[in-house]
Amino acid sequence: AQSVTQLGSHVSVSEGALVLLRCNYSSSVPPYLFWYVQYPNQGLQLLLKYTSAATLVKGINGFEAEFKKSETSFHLTKPSAHMSDAAEYFCAVSDHGNNRLAFGKGNQVVVIP
Amino acid sequence: NAGVTQTPKFQVLKTGQSMTLQCAQDMNHNSMYWYRQDPGMGLRLIYYSASEGTTDKGEVPNGYNVSRLNKREFSLRLESAAPSQTSVYFCASSELRAQGEAFFGQGTRLTVV
Repeated sequence: AQSVTQLGSHVSVSEGALVLLRCNYSSSVPPYLFWYVQYPNQGLQLLLKYTSAATLVKGINGFEAEFKKSETSFHLTKPSAHMSDAAEYFCAVSDHGNNRLAFGKGNQVVVIP
Repeated sequence: NAGVTQTPKFQVLKTGQSMTLQCAQDMNHNSMYWYRQDPGMGLRLIYYSASEGTTDKGEVPNGYNVSRLNKREFSLRLESAAPSQTSVYFCASSELRAQGEAFFGQGTRLTVV
């Protein structure tokens, strides 16, 4: 079954600094990959997704992620962190055979003024 | 657009009590899901329904039952609540051809005492 690994449950970043959240996937076939964001006391919202088109995917709020098959990775980046980026971020994977999403354990991002 | 609506938003149960969490979507999606979210565990799939009339177990189905009442509604039932079922529950829906992208409700925060 497909799965994703996110390391480092809590990530602290200074306002204006680079945000980098790592995600590695395990799948026997080329997967669909997603990043979701969860603001406090809310549901999950899609940030961006990779579906085998361009390997560099741009999402909302200035985030982007690059699919690297050789590294089985789909890391999320944002060049300059903003206070409003404080949230929990989840990487997720599904494969072409079904519509089920498997989630990583999440990264809680704290932005330091 | 309402999207995915969950009721109730909060619930406290005593051990052994039963309850049903309700979920409805107005996006005409075929697939619906129930996840639970626990600190440090990410989201884990409890049950899903690929289409009206079908349901399947996910990663953590024990202690739960589901009903796909119609295309819009997918309920989750706890027959005899246990403290281990204290969690935040999310309902989600997706279109089969949406390549895994799911839309989430706001969540139900359940405490079992």
